[in-house]
Amino acid sequence: SAVISQKPSRDICQRGTSLTIQCQVDSQVTMMFWYRQQPGQSLTLIATANQGSEATYESGFVIDKFPISRPNLTFSTLTVSNMSPEDSSIYLCSVELGGEETQYFGPGTRLLVL
Amino acid sequence: AQSVTQLGSHVSVSEGALVLLRCNYSSSVPPYLFWYVQYPNQGLQLLLKYTSAATLVKGINGFEAEFKKSETSFHLTKPSAHMSDAAEYFCAVSDRVGSGNTGKLIFGQGTTLQVKP
Repeated sequence: SAVISQKPSRDICQRGTSLTIQCQVDSQVTMMFWYRQQPGQSLTLIATANQGSEATYESGFVIDKFPISRPNLTFSTLTVSNMSPEDSSIYLCSVELGGEETQYFGPGTRLLVL
Repeated sequence: AQSVTQLGSHVSVSEGALVLLRCNYSSSVPPYLFWYVQYPNQGLQLLLKYTSAATLVKGINGFEAEFKKSETSFHLTKPSAHMSDAAEYFCAVSDRVGSGNTGKLIFGQGTTLQVKP
């Protein structure tokens, strides 16, 4: 498995501002993913972030709203831009370890937008 | 396209009773299937996975699941519930098969398990 940390663990933000969420993993991984879990809902993939290439976004998610960086094999950031109350969610990163065919999840960042 | 349906958004059992959480999937190819558990205010923890090996998969904390292709099901069971099993359970299917990685996970809506003393 992998040890994954996220910062911040939670935040309360004002509408119109932006928040950058960090995801750090204790081993080098090629594939990292960002998911959103809206209140009382299941998880939805925002984008796939592979090191050395542009992030691939799912339908309904755009780079201007959710820019992602992947500077190396152990780190990624997701920015939630120009936030509105509808962005209030848990944001989780996950990683896939080579050969394990399994995704491991971080603890999540709980975001409340007022 | 792959999809997952979890039957029953809430399941309540007594401590010591059988736990059965239902998951049905739709996939045009042999699927990779997963069960995750989410405890309050925590991330997702992998319980078990099916990736085309044995159809009966054993996971952590006494949970197991059986892949039944004819029924397109992957139900999660535990013989005897414990109070600590109370959590949200998610079934997921991968949209990528045969390439050595999972790719995008498609999650069911989740089932909240309540365990009564």
